[in-house]
Amino acid sequence: DAKTTQPNSMESNEEEPVHLPCNHSTISGTDYIHWYRQLPSQGPEYVIHGLTSNVNNRMASLAIAEDRKSSTLILHRATLRDAAVYYCILRAINNAGNMLTFGGGTRLMVKP
Amino acid sequence: EAQVTQNPRYLITVTGKKLTVTCSQNMNHEYMSWYRQDPGLGLRQIYYSMNVEVTDKGDVPEGYKVSRKEKRNFPLILESPSPNQTSLYFCASSPLDRVQSPLHFGNGTRLTVT
Repeated sequence: DAKTTQPNSMESNEEEPVHLPCNHSTISGTDYIHWYRQLPSQGPEYVIHGLTSNVNNRMASLAIAEDRKSSTLILHRATLRDAAVYYCILRAINNAGNMLTFGGGTRLMVKP
Repeated sequence: EAQVTQNPRYLITVTGKKLTVTCSQNMNHEYMSWYRQDPGLGLRQIYYSMNVEVTDKGDVPEGYKVSRKEKRNFPLILESPSPNQTSLYFCASSPLDRVQSPLHFGNGTRLTVT
């Protein structure tokens, strides 16, 4: 699976939108883009995933660039409970979950 | 409640003393996997299992063993722990009936080997 690049950290104010970027310039045509987050003292938690089209769920939105070389996770209104490390990973279409590259992620700090 | 349960949450042991970290899931998932998380290295896969009696090595299998005798359980065994196995360990599971099923992670086991 190809690698991703994310900023080490970002800050946001509570109740404001947050845009977390991810670059994946070597993405292949069959790689899905997944986002997970890890709250303090917990395991990673699935947030959202997509292939080409933008996706929305109850937790967040995922905006995927037309050339698929980058994506952005959007938290519409950050809360203090959203403070976590956010991981952007690529997962090949038939990969059950093997050798996934969880890198350093982006540490999101939310200020009250 | 659907969950992946790891035990213990914290473990301190000495070099060479065999230990087992248990992992159990109640979602009838076929796929289970173990990862270790170290500062600066992210999560690295140790072993995985696609179903009962089917296991395979991940990225960093040396010094670890696993077994999958039942679908719900996937214990991680350290026969002779060493200090370089001090780490935060996570178990994860997912179904295999659809493409790109999310992984469900446990809350981790922090292991210290002195």
